[in-house]
Amino acid sequence: RKEVEQDPGPFNVPEGATVAFNCTYSNSASQSFFWYRQDCRKEPKLLMSVYSSGNEDGRFTAQLNRASQYISLLIRDSKLSDSATYLCVAYTGGFKTIFGAGTRLFVKA
Amino acid sequence: DGGITQSPKYLFRKEGQNVTLSCEQNLNHDAMYWYRQDPGQGLRLIYYSQIVNDFQKGDIAEGYSVSREKKESFPLTVTSAQKNPTAFYLCASSTPPGQAGALSTDTQYFGPGTRLTVL
Repeated sequence: RKEVEQDPGPFNVPEGATVAFNCTYSNSASQSFFWYRQDCRKEPKLLMSVYSSGNEDGRFTAQLNRASQYISLLIRDSKLSDSATYLCVAYTGGFKTIFGAGTRLFVKA
Repeated sequence: DGGITQSPKYLFRKEGQNVTLSCEQNLNHDAMYWYRQDPGQGLRLIYYSQIVNDFQKGDIAEGYSVSREKKESFPLTVTSAQKNPTAFYLCASSTPPGQAGALSTDTQYFGPGTRLTVL
C-alpha cells in the first residue's frame, strides 16, 4: 500500500463546477499535510497547508480527518487556470515528506 | 528575489557518462533535497542535507552522489551506475523541522527542475 494515495483522475469538469480531491495516508504518525499544485512540466508549488480545523483560501478549502487518515481539497467555481495536477503531501517527521502521485484536473470551457 | 534555481533546464546524457545537476538557493534555508519524478508517480527522495557538509541517503540513492560545501548549493551527480536516469529532477529547500516555531512541519519550496534524458 502506498503511504499517500490519491485518485489519479483525470477529473474533467466544466468551468464553474465544484470539484473535490481525496487523499488517504497510511502513517498515523504523520504530523502535517499540504496540497501542492503542479502544472505540466513544471515544479510543484505550495497551494495550501492543511490544518486540523480545516482551512479556506478563497475558492479552495482543505480538510483533515485524522481519525480516518483522510485529507480533502475542494475547489469551488473552477477556472480554466485551475487545470493542473494536485499533489497531496504528508510530513511524517524528521526529514521524511511523502508525496502522492497526484490527481490531474482538466477544467473545460 | 529569493528562490531556488536549477540548471540546466534540459540535459542529455550518453550511456556511461556522469552528469551534474546544479541547485542553488538564496532563501537562507538549511535543509535541501533532491527528488526524482517519473510519469504518473509521486516524487521520490534521492538525497537530503540538513546542514553544510552533511547529507543523507533517501529512498533511491543508488547511482547518485551529492555534496554540500556551501549552504546555498547542493549539486547532484547522476553517475553511470544509475541504470535508468531519464526523469525530471527537482531540488527543494526548507527550514528544517523544529526551527519553524512550535509547529512541526517541513514546507518545501522547489526549483524549476531539470529534465534529464539518456540518449
